[in-house]
Amino acid sequence: RKEVEQDPGPFNVPEGATVAFNCTYSNSASQSFFWYRQDCRKEPKLLMSVYSSGNEDGRFTAQLNRASQYISLLIRDSKLSDSATYLCAVNEDYGQNFVFGPGTRLSVLP
Amino acid sequence: SAVISQKPSRDICQRGTSLTIQCQVDSQVTMMFWYRQQPGQSLTLIATANQGSEATYESGFVIDKFPISRPNLTFSTLTVSNMSPEDSSIYLCSVGYFGTQETQYFGPGTRLLVL
Repeated sequence: RKEVEQDPGPFNVPEGATVAFNCTYSNSASQSFFWYRQDCRKEPKLLMSVYSSGNEDGRFTAQLNRASQYISLLIRDSKLSDSATYLCAVNEDYGQNFVFGPGTRLSVLP
Repeated sequence: SAVISQKPSRDICQRGTSLTIQCQVDSQVTMMFWYRQQPGQSLTLIATANQGSEATYESGFVIDKFPISRPNLTFSTLTVSNMSPEDSSIYLCSVGYFGTQETQYFGPGTRLLVL
């Protein structure tokens, strides 16, 4: 079983739609969680950290469910510019490295 | 956030040759990593570059194939040795911050094509 798994995608949604991605992790001792965005032919860029209480940044909301070992990313009112691959990352057990999921590709269509 | 640069940004190489990729950070960082990302795939960690000591390699990666240097806290190199077409990939360095401001930032990547 892979350590970090994501919705396989791709997600094709119209502008203005709300879309949600899930990411599950296998290591229950994982301590911190992140969402990255990767545009085509570019490096991954940190989108947001995921805190236990959940957090929101504009149209983006991240939530953590430790009991079920998953994190989610919700994008409201999606824009064309949101089209990208979204990677979740998990820092396991205070280890000094992140484990990345395979990514979920989002295409927002006009 | 850190500003990370990589050189070269891309290269086309012949099989059997070696390429050294440089990673420069604009501030001192404790943790530096090297990743590989093949087309359409996610990130695979090659190794952690340790300052002043040998790199820590992940399963499936060995020092003879991917020697790494980390002479100081702002610079690291990754060499892809004796290249084959299977080494064609994007190679990314990253820096990690742990503790209260935990996160990881990536360099722009080096796109390598081996013929």
